[in-house]
Amino acid sequence: GQQVMQIPQYQHVQEGEDFTTYCNSSTTLSNIQWYKQRPGGHPVFLIQLVKSGEVKKQKRLTFQFGEAKKNSSLHITATQTTDVGTYFCAGSNILTGGGNKLTFGTGTQLKVEL
Amino acid sequence: GAGVSQSPSNKVTEKGKDVELRCDPISGHTALYWYRQSLGQGLEFLIYFQGNSAPDKSGLPSDRFSAERTGGSVSTLTIQRTQQEDSAVYLCASSLGFGAGEFGDEQFFGPGTRLTVL
Repeated sequence: GQQVMQIPQYQHVQEGEDFTTYCNSSTTLSNIQWYKQRPGGHPVFLIQLVKSGEVKKQKRLTFQFGEAKKNSSLHITATQTTDVGTYFCAGSNILTGGGNKLTFGTGTQLKVEL
Repeated sequence: GAGVSQSPSNKVTEKGKDVELRCDPISGHTALYWYRQSLGQGLEFLIYFQGNSAPDKSGLPSDRFSAERTGGSVSTLTIQRTQQEDSAVYLCASSLGFGAGEFGDEQFFGPGTRLTVL
């Protein structure tokens, strides 16, 4: 079945440093979504990418979808303490009949120290 | 309601007992999902309902787990003869589903039910 891996599993940074998490799927994806889960909270949708090579930005966050639609990345510039949480990528393969079912990545837990 | 709600928020049960977890999705959302998240781990897919289609049960870990969705709205996840390894947070999510278009749509998560099996 489809597997989605993320690296790194954990990342500690000093406030102001940049952060990147990488997401790799074992199969080609129709789309990739990113979610953020704060400690003790539930996942919250950040963004969806659907086109090969697509890049989207949200303030300090930059999301990229690979050309082969099998990998993605999230880059945060100048991290802040409010960025603390676990970031999950999630992909679906609608074209193979999976519907809107998402396979979530393993997640990257980000800690930001002052 | 404004978002996805789940009840109870916490459930402590004894090994071998049955439990029922409830999810109220966002009104108008045709798709509903159940996930399980163990402490510090990722989201494990359990089951997916889309409209009146047969649910995708491929993620249910054993036949002790079952779920139903009545009237295309509220869903109940039932775990029979609970085991200690069932302890986790059970998350429900809903989305517009097929009505959102061909590229899928964002999932809105409830606050989860924390299940502890003693």
